[in-house]
Amino acid sequence: KQEVTQIPAALSVPEGENLVLNCSFTDSAIYNLQWFRQDPGKGLTSLLLIQSSQREQTSGRLNASLDKSSGRSTLYIAASQPGDSATYLCAVKVRTGAGSYQLTFGKGTKLSVIP
Amino acid sequence: DGGITQSPKYLFRKEGQNVTLSCEQNLNHDAMYWYRQDPGQGLRLIYYSQIVNDFQKGDIAEGYSVSREKKESFPLTVTSAQKNPTAFYLCASSFLHREAGEQFFGPGTRLTVL
Repeated sequence: KQEVTQIPAALSVPEGENLVLNCSFTDSAIYNLQWFRQDPGKGLTSLLLIQSSQREQTSGRLNASLDKSSGRSTLYIAASQPGDSATYLCAVKVRTGAGSYQLTFGKGTKLSVIP
Repeated sequence: DGGITQSPKYLFRKEGQNVTLSCEQNLNHDAMYWYRQDPGQGLRLIYYSQIVNDFQKGDIAEGYSVSREKKESFPLTVTSAQKNPTAFYLCASSFLHREAGEQFFGPGTRLTVL
């Protein structure tokens, strides 16, 4: 069964620092990987989706990479800001049956950016 | 505005009651999903539906029921058989593309059992 791990569980950095969040998964048979942001008490906001055939995706100050063979993805945040403080979750899309797919989530990394 | 709406935002249930959580989307997505989120745990899939009038159990379907009578709507009923229903419930939707198919989430419903 697919397992997704995010380390560290929490991270605190000073404003302006570049940082990397890590996501690892046990089964490389994935169709895509999605990174989400969740603010306290809110729903998830999709940040980036990397399809299995892609190596990376970029959106503004965010860059996500995918190495399927090693079961790893990283989310790079450049020039962090206090507004980036949130919990970041990664999820991989796996096949669960004929024509059925679902996301398996990690538990997230809680990021605090200190002004 | 395109998006996913969930109601109510907060819901309180007495022991032994069934309650229904609403989820509506106007993104023309084929698939809809219900997740449960508990502190310290990742999101867990309850039910999902890829087409109207069809749905499949996820990892933790016991004590829950769903219907999909319209493409836009996927209500979740938490029955009295669910022993520990206090949690944050999230609805999501996506197109059915195998590799694209980005999932989008609603704002969530927080259910508390009194």
